[in-house]
Amino acid sequence: DGGITQSPKYLFRKEGQNVTLSCEQNLNHDAMYWYRQDPGQGLRLIYYSQIVNDFQKGDIAEGYSVSREKKESFPLTVTSAQKNPTAFYLCASSIWTGSLSGANVLTFGAGSRLTVL
Amino acid sequence: GENVEQHPSTLSVQEGDSAVIKCTYSDSASNYFPWYKQELGKGPQLIIDIRSNVGEKKDQRIAVTLNKTAKHFSLHITETQPEDSAVYFCAASNPPNNDMRFGAGTRLTVKP
Repeated sequence: DGGITQSPKYLFRKEGQNVTLSCEQNLNHDAMYWYRQDPGQGLRLIYYSQIVNDFQKGDIAEGYSVSREKKESFPLTVTSAQKNPTAFYLCASSIWTGSLSGANVLTFGAGSRLTVL
Repeated sequence: GENVEQHPSTLSVQEGDSAVIKCTYSDSASNYFPWYKQELGKGPQLIIDIRSNVGEKKDQRIAVTLNKTAKHFSLHITETQPEDSAVYFCAASNPPNNDMRFGAGTRLTVKP
């Protein structure tokens, strides 16, 4: 079955530690995204990547970093610079349809819940 | 940039009744409007979407309407069932970057 896998499902971190969330997809999608979900605020875009070795900041990139060395993988590192990292993190992927069509159907993973102790 | 507002934040209906969730967007260039359903502890799943060249789309008990002039779109669920209970998100996407902007979500509860 094709899909998008996030790990770990639950993660606990002490203040001052960096943590990395994994996201792997076997859908052959070009684009991958990271969203943060907080209660009552919907989904906010952290970073996205249209192609390998390229990525762009979203609305709330501060305190986060990403890499896109392989098409299938888009790991997110939550650094100690992120002041309020406790949240539910969602990874998504899509076919990159190009700027003219403006339509990108997202497939989401099951999410990773990060708690800072 | 695009801003999407969604109402209501919570909605409770009796089984068999209809449910309507409304969203407005700010960027007239947005041209793709999906709706996602998120069940507890899971990622959102696409349930229906509409593009800006269409005013209405229906899929069984679910329909979406789009008013480009007023910049709002709505999700309609008829004959609701308890398994429809979830959080629903609307979103808007626009060129050139195609990044998606989401509403804050509506928690729908269908009472048996």
